[in-house]
Amino acid sequence: AQSVTQLDSQVPVFEEAPVELRCNYSSSVSVYLFWYVQYPNQGLQLLLKYLSGSTLVESINGFEAEFNKSQTSFHLRKPSVHISDTAEYFCAVSSIKTSYDKVIFGPGTSLSVIP
Amino acid sequence: DGGITQSPKYLFRKEGQNVTLSCEQNLNHDAMYWYRQDPGQGLRLIYYSQIVNDFQKGDIAEGYSVSREKKESFPLTVTSAQKNPTAFYLCASSIVGYSNQPQHFGDGTRLSIL
Repeated sequence: AQSVTQLDSQVPVFEEAPVELRCNYSSSVSVYLFWYVQYPNQGLQLLLKYLSGSTLVESINGFEAEFNKSQTSFHLRKPSVHISDTAEYFCAVSSIKTSYDKVIFGPGTSLSVIP
Repeated sequence: DGGITQSPKYLFRKEGQNVTLSCEQNLNHDAMYWYRQDPGQGLRLIYYSQIVNDFQKGDIAEGYSVSREKKESFPLTVTSAQKNPTAFYLCASSIVGYSNQPQHFGDGTRLSIL
């Protein structure tokens, strides 16, 4: 069985400050890792994903996440946040070998950027 | 542009009433999913379908039903047996057989009890 933990349910941060949203997962098999973002009253949008290769992956809007296999983590970071980054962020995993494409989502972290 | 359309955006249910949430996609995806989102609980899978005329229960299927008569459509019915239906419902789709591909989501339906 797989599980995803996001230790921080809420993260307030001042504008232009750095932020880290933590994600840890548990799985007996190799996984793909994803970060999704959800703006108020909208669906989830893919932010970035780790499939293989370089452990550091980046999004087009300045976020990055680093896969750490030994610590089973996939933390999301941004060096300088903007008001528009205020949203809910979900970490998710899917097994590399499954009979169907089930995705396990974490409980989410609410990022609030303070002006 | 391809995407997923959910309707209505807001829905109100009376006691003892069944309501149906619509989900349509034009991404040509074989797999479709229904999730329920409650504050602080993330997304919980209700039902999923990998092919037309076939679907499987997810983690919280009790009180819900679905159909998959067309590739593009995957409606969810919230029955009167679901005693706590107030939640945000999200429909998603993806390519079958490629777990490295992300799911695409609609903008959700917010269901409330009158």
